[in-house]
Amino acid sequence: EVQLVESGGGLVQPGGSLRLSCAASGFTVSSNYMSWVRQAPGKGLEWVSVIYSGGSTYYADSVKGRFTISRDNSKNTLYLQMNSLRAEDTAVYYCAREALYSGSPGGFDYWGQGTLVTVSS
Amino acid sequence: EIVLTQSPATLSLSPGERATLSCRASQSVSSYLAWYQQKPGQAPRLLIYDASNRATGIPARFSGSGSGTDFTLTISSLEPEDFAVYYCQQRSNWFSITFGQGTRLEIK
Repeated sequence: EVQLVESGGGLVQPGGSLRLSCAASGFTVSSNYMSWVRQAPGKGLEWVSVIYSGGSTYYADSVKGRFTISRDNSKNTLYLQMNSLRAEDTAVYYCAREALYSGSPGGFDYWGQGTLVTVSS
Repeated sequence: EIVLTQSPATLSLSPGERATLSCRASQSVSSYLAWYQQKPGQAPRLLIYDASNRATGIPARFSGSGSGTDFTLTISSLEPEDFAVYYCQQRSNWFSITFGQGTRLEIK
């Protein structure tokens, strides 16, 4: 059974750092396209970052230069290192796997339960 | 960045009625469009991928259509559990993914 379990959220002051983890089971993280998606309280979904099976990474403009996505293949875990946090980064952060159909991406088919990050003094 | 605009923002319908939700892209995304359903306190659930393909386990009352810049999610006959927020999402290139702002489907 495929499962994604996020951890690492919490309260952090503006300018601070936090590292989120997403432990996967039932599939191999390094063979898939993995993303972080966030949702501010009462707002819509916002894509944050992706890491491809080949290791390439991309970011939304809102987090570029501050956030870093990575993975640990030995732990089958995805990470999001968040630095220089701002109040507007407050959100529930989800990790999500992108389905692959004949090698082409086809939507996020599995999501974690989400972890809340609150940036406030 | 490709912007997705969903309409209407809120749709009020009764169980048994037909729901039609729209998603318009600021430039062509070919067929690289997905639809999700989200209920309060839950993660989104994939409904449709590649504009018109139902994801695993999704009931046949959900269907998607469109290509290029205009897409539609149709729910043929609303069940009580279908009242939720719906998002469209595009990934027409390798370096950027965007979501629409969502349509809230509420019970009339």
